[in-house]
Amino acid sequence: KNQVEQSPQSLIILEGKNCTLQCNYTVSPFSNLRWYKQDTGRGPVSLTIMTFSENTKSNGRYTATLDADTKQSSLHITASQLSDSASYICVVSAFIMDSSYKLIFGSGTRLLVRP
Amino acid sequence: SQTIHQWPATLVQPVGSPLSLECTVEGTSNPNLYWYRQAAGRGLQLLFYSVGIGQISSEVPQNLSASRPQDRQFILSSKKLLLSDSGFYLCAWSRDRVERGGAFFGQGTRLTVV
Repeated sequence: KNQVEQSPQSLIILEGKNCTLQCNYTVSPFSNLRWYKQDTGRGPVSLTIMTFSENTKSNGRYTATLDADTKQSSLHITASQLSDSASYICVVSAFIMDSSYKLIFGSGTRLLVRP
Repeated sequence: SQTIHQWPATLVQPVGSPLSLECTVEGTSNPNLYWYRQAAGRGLQLLFYSVGIGQISSEVPQNLSASRPQDRQFILSSKKLLLSDSGFYLCAWSRDRVERGGAFFGQGTRLTVV
């Protein structure tokens, strides 16, 4: 069964600190993995996209890693800011029979950055 | 550039009333289209996806239906809303067969059934 599991479910850190969010998946056949940021009451916005052959992808203070062998990904946030408070969602694309693909979402990690 | 429009932003409807949420995409052709629901404090649940006009796949049995009357238009409907239909509904699109395209989301509709 295609699943995406994220941990922790929620996280509170102080402004300026770093944090790492985890994503484990059991999706096959794998197409790519994306991390999204979702502010409360808004639609998710893509942070990074990685295919099977990519190990690391950065977007400003966000760095995502992918280990396709262990089917794990992480999102590292450096020097957190108050505006980083949001839900972070890991999404894995799986190929489906009609040559298209669909997205499988993790339940997200809710991050709260405190001053 | 591509944009996705979803409306309305908020909606309060009585139990038993019909529902119609609309989503349109501009700047691309033959997109994959998705409807998601997000309950309070929960992850995104895929409701429907479509790879072409008139082609709808349902992920979970429910009180809702979806239609794709045009290439870039996706509609979520219900004949009679239930209290359990309350939630945050998101429309999204992604490129057809292009792996690196990512999925792009609308701003969502907050539906409250009273």
